[in-house]
Amino acid sequence: AQSVAQPEDQVNVAEGNPLTVKCTYSVSGNPYLFWYVQYPNRGLQFLLKYITGDNLVKGSYGFEAEFNKSQTSFHLKKPSALVSDSALYFCASSGGYNKLIFGAGTRLAVHP
Amino acid sequence: EAQVTQNPRYLITVTGKKLTVTCSQNMNHEYMSWYRQDPGLGLRQIYYSMNVEVTDKGDVPEGYKVSRKEKRNFPLILESPSPNQTSLYFCASSRSGSGANVLTFGAGSRLTVL
Repeated sequence: AQSVAQPEDQVNVAEGNPLTVKCTYSVSGNPYLFWYVQYPNRGLQFLLKYITGDNLVKGSYGFEAEFNKSQTSFHLKKPSALVSDSALYFCASSGGYNKLIFGAGTRLAVHP
Repeated sequence: EAQVTQNPRYLITVTGKKLTVTCSQNMNHEYMSWYRQDPGLGLRQIYYSMNVEVTDKGDVPEGYKVSRKEKRNFPLILESPSPNQTSLYFCASSRSGSGANVLTFGAGSRLTVL
């Protein structure tokens, strides 16, 4: 069965330090992979996606993610974290038509 | 502004009292979907619609109904709500049902069933 795992419930990082939010997937065929962010009392906002091509994908607000087929991972990264990056982050995979499978979410806390 | 609008944003109701959560998009999107978000479970799909009059079940459809009579609207109906339907609900839309398309989400509707 198709699934997405986010192994960390929460990630804490100091402002200015690099951040990584982990995601692994299990889908048949070639996956489409996404990262969405949710700020308090807001809907999910699209950050970036991997469909095909370059394994390093750049997205909004300075975020990027690296697709690693051998490790079935799609970790979200940012070189220098901001306090305003604090939010709930969701990794998602589309193994086919009509449906996104979401991970459980990782809460990112960036401390001043 | 391109957006998905859900109403109500917050609702407290009692077991068995029928309710409808409305969803409307202004982007002429063909595909619309409802998700529920629960702590530790992420988002799970309830129902989706590929176009007008075309709807199908997602992963957790029990206790819910939907309809798609117009392209812009996709209401979620709880005929007889129960406490296990207390959750945060999101409506989303995209240009088509292709897995490569980005979903645009509404702001969410927090439902409490007592």
